[in-house]
Amino acid sequence: DQQVKQNSPSLSVQEGRISILNCDYTNSMFDYFLWYKKYPAEGPTFLISISSIKDKNEDGRFTVFLNKSAKHLSLHIVPSQPGDSAVYFCAARRVRQGAQKLVFGQGTRLTINP
Amino acid sequence: DSGVTQTPKHLITATGQRVTLRCSPRSGDLSVYWYQQSLDQGLQFLIQYYNGEERAKGNILERFSAQQFPDLHSELNLSSLELGDSALYFCASSVGTGTNEKLFFGSGTQLSVL
Repeated sequence: DQQVKQNSPSLSVQEGRISILNCDYTNSMFDYFLWYKKYPAEGPTFLISISSIKDKNEDGRFTVFLNKSAKHLSLHIVPSQPGDSAVYFCAARRVRQGAQKLVFGQGTRLTINP
Repeated sequence: DSGVTQTPKHLITATGQRVTLRCSPRSGDLSVYWYQQSLDQGLQFLIQYYNGEERAKGNILERFSAQQFPDLHSELNLSSLELGDSALYFCASSVGTGTNEKLFFGSGTQLSVL
């Protein structure tokens, strides 16, 4: 049972435009969500997070939106830059739980075209 | 550079063999996590150690085992290898607890079982 799903294995966006990466979850107990970014030959690195008391969290060019009723979150990157080309993982857990309870999606490979 | 070191980067072996993956956490981090990423899958949590003691177990097969040594480095032992064990294995160390816990990943060991 895949509790966190990223249904788009890949996404291609032109430089300067908006990139929107989507993530759906099925476990209604999840209340803390994270996005990780992974470059080739490197491990994932933390990008941005959001707890369920918010519906939006912004950090520079990166904004995460949470729609609890739809059990859906999205990561917006504006404007997209070539350095944003990477695999993005969505992850979820309960807010008081440690990282051992973190459930990851399959990842979306984002390619930014010049 | 996350500060987490994994060796080797690549490992090619045959079915039925046994291998050991090594991880050195960031200086001062007491917690070590092991994850498996199979093709087109998200990161699957295997096991966590904290200051030498097993803290949590995830979807780890009985053929797999891990330990954390007094110097806090950790090893993941995979035995009686099967073709399906081919995957990218990540180690992560963490700082903080609960919501504030942050994972720092190594660059992974790519295991190919032929």
